[in-house]
Amino acid sequence: GAVVSQHPSWVICKSGTSVKIECRSLDFQATTMFWYRQFPKQSLMLMATSNEGSKATYEQGVEKDKFLINHASLTLSTLTVTSAHPEDSSFYICSARDTSGRGHEQFFGPGTRLTVL
Amino acid sequence: QQQVKQSPQSLIVQKGGISIINCAYENTAFDYFPWYQQFPGKGPALLIAIRPDVSEKKEGRFTISFNKSAKQFSLHIMDSQPGDSATYFCASLDYKLSFGAGTTVTVRA
Repeated sequence: GAVVSQHPSWVICKSGTSVKIECRSLDFQATTMFWYRQFPKQSLMLMATSNEGSKATYEQGVEKDKFLINHASLTLSTLTVTSAHPEDSSFYICSARDTSGRGHEQFFGPGTRLTVL
Repeated sequence: QQQVKQSPQSLIVQKGGISIINCAYENTAFDYFPWYQQFPGKGPALLIAIRPDVSEKKEGRFTISFNKSAKQFSLHIMDSQPGDSATYFCASLDYKLSFGAGTTVTVRA
């Protein structure tokens, strides 16, 4: 099956700093990538949809200036949490949709645990 | 407002038993219904999926039943094993995935 990687798998940072999370599709090209946030014992909440070469589309209530998304190539999207605060601590998961015709299937990364002190 | 309602929130089943998780949706534009399995600290992984023109799909011990008129679909895990202990999410797709709240399944040996 298709593989999506995320780096780092976990990160601890001080309040006020910025953190960048990378999402890569390893064996397929992804025109569209998605970023989710998941709090403990809750479901996945879509934050934004990222399209290669264009601006991301953010879900209602997600601050686009705080969660910067860049989809620079067909295999890489990055999420930067700017001026992180403890309430941003969460599990961030990306997923990618294969553009080569696998239909609707989305492949998920292993997630990044962010802890803001 | 959650577009996909999932129940139960949790369930416990004995090894060898059947686990059943139910989901309901309202949006008739949904045209793809996947189930995901997630272990603690990991990303979700696609388990099985169905399209609305099919009423049932089986893959190994996992079966989706789909009732288009009732706008409901369910996951059946047959012969449940301790390794199946995980959180299961149903989802529905129009242009983006909408997830259910999740069901934590515990299989007792």
